[in-house]
Amino acid sequence: AQSVSQHNHHVILSEAASLELGCNYSYGGTVNLFWYVQYPGQHLQLLLKYFSGDPLVKGIKGFEAEFIKSKFSFNLRKPSVQWSDTAEYFCAVNPNAGNMLTFGGGTRLMVKP
Amino acid sequence: DVKVTQSSRYLVKRTGEKVFLECVQDMDHENMFWYRQDPGLGLRLIYFSYDVKMKEKGDIPEGYSVSREKKERFSLILESASTNQTSMYLCASRTQGFSTNEKLFFGSGTQLSVL
Repeated sequence: AQSVSQHNHHVILSEAASLELGCNYSYGGTVNLFWYVQYPGQHLQLLLKYFSGDPLVKGIKGFEAEFIKSKFSFNLRKPSVQWSDTAEYFCAVNPNAGNMLTFGGGTRLMVKP
Repeated sequence: DVKVTQSSRYLVKRTGEKVFLECVQDMDHENMFWYRQDPGLGLRLIYFSYDVKMKEKGDIPEGYSVSREKKERFSLILESASTNQTSMYLCASRTQGFSTNEKLFFGSGTQLSVL
């Protein structure tokens, strides 16, 4: 079945450490790619998105993600995390510009002060 | 700012009860969605609607139905609640079609517990 995989379910980092969260998808063809974040007690918010063009996408709060088509991946990165980045992060894929948005299982990030 | 409002933040129901989860959006969006969020499984699409009275099944529609009588309101119905439907339910909306300027707007969620 077509799917979106986030391999790390839980990540614990110290402040100032670098972050990379993996996301792989199995859809062929054109895809639109998203990362959403859910801070504790808050609703889901869009972090960044890729539709076309430069495969390195910059989002809010210093996050970026790189689309590597040959690897079917869209990994999220941040060079130096802060305690306030503690949240759950979801990768999502919109295949072929249709109506469906499929989410990965999420990665819970805890940043220790 | 777009507002997606879910009527209840927490709900506790008994097995076999009929449950209604309501969602209202104030931005005249055509598309509305119901997801359930479970630890380790992420968000899974239950149903979506692309217009009034129009609906399509998502990935896990079994045990659920939906109603969209008005553009701003999208209801999720559990005809006979079961314990495996205990979950966080998220409503979302957006305008028609994905484009570089569009995104999905989420409600705060309804945590449903079925005892």
